[in-house]
Amino acid sequence: AQTVTQSQPEMSVQEAETVTLSCTYDTSESDYYLFWYKQPPSRQMILVIRQEAYKQQNATENRFSVNFQKAAKSFSLKISDSQLGDAAMYFCAYRSGNDMRFGAGTRLTVKP
Amino acid sequence: EAGVAQSPRYKIIEKRQSVAFWCNPISGHATLYWYQQILGQGPKLLIQFQNNGVVDDSQLPKDRFSAERLKGVDSTLKIQPAKLEDSAVYLCASRSQGRGSPLHFGNGTRLTVT
Repeated sequence: AQTVTQSQPEMSVQEAETVTLSCTYDTSESDYYLFWYKQPPSRQMILVIRQEAYKQQNATENRFSVNFQKAAKSFSLKISDSQLGDAAMYFCAYRSGNDMRFGAGTRLTVKP
Repeated sequence: EAGVAQSPRYKIIEKRQSVAFWCNPISGHATLYWYQQILGQGPKLLIQFQNNGVVDDSQLPKDRFSAERLKGVDSTLKIQPAKLEDSAVYLCASRSQGRGSPLHFGNGTRLTVT
């Protein structure tokens, strides 16, 4: 079974600084997608960024970017110029076909 | 476009009672998921539908949980009888058929079993 591991239960960052959240996954598939979701206290999961495994170029969405290392099965999220509104739970997710799996999450605190 | 709608937002019941959750996915999304999220954990898939057919229900505790998606649109998830360990947030999500399409989530239902 495919597994997704987030080894950092909690992270904190100073406002305006940069933080990196780690994620590793295990799969034998070659065609898959990776996602980062943000879950604020309102509970709704919001898509932050996605990466297609067959694309070598790292995805970027404004202040959010990923470091995708396919051989190492690593998919980290970098948040630049952190803002107070970035404080939330962040979940790494993997999807291949109909199989969608989530990591346990990293709670990000942003200090003013 | 309207998002995924879920109701109720909160529910408190006593153990051994029954409860039902409702989900209306984004229009046109054929795939619908129900996830259970226990406090401090990531979402765990309970059941996945493709239109009105079940794709994966391998982690659904079928002795007490049931779900249906009549007409391939709305879906209901039922628990009967509830146990204390069923206390969690129940998330509904849907996605379109595109290869890399992400899941779109509703606001979830927080269930407390006392």
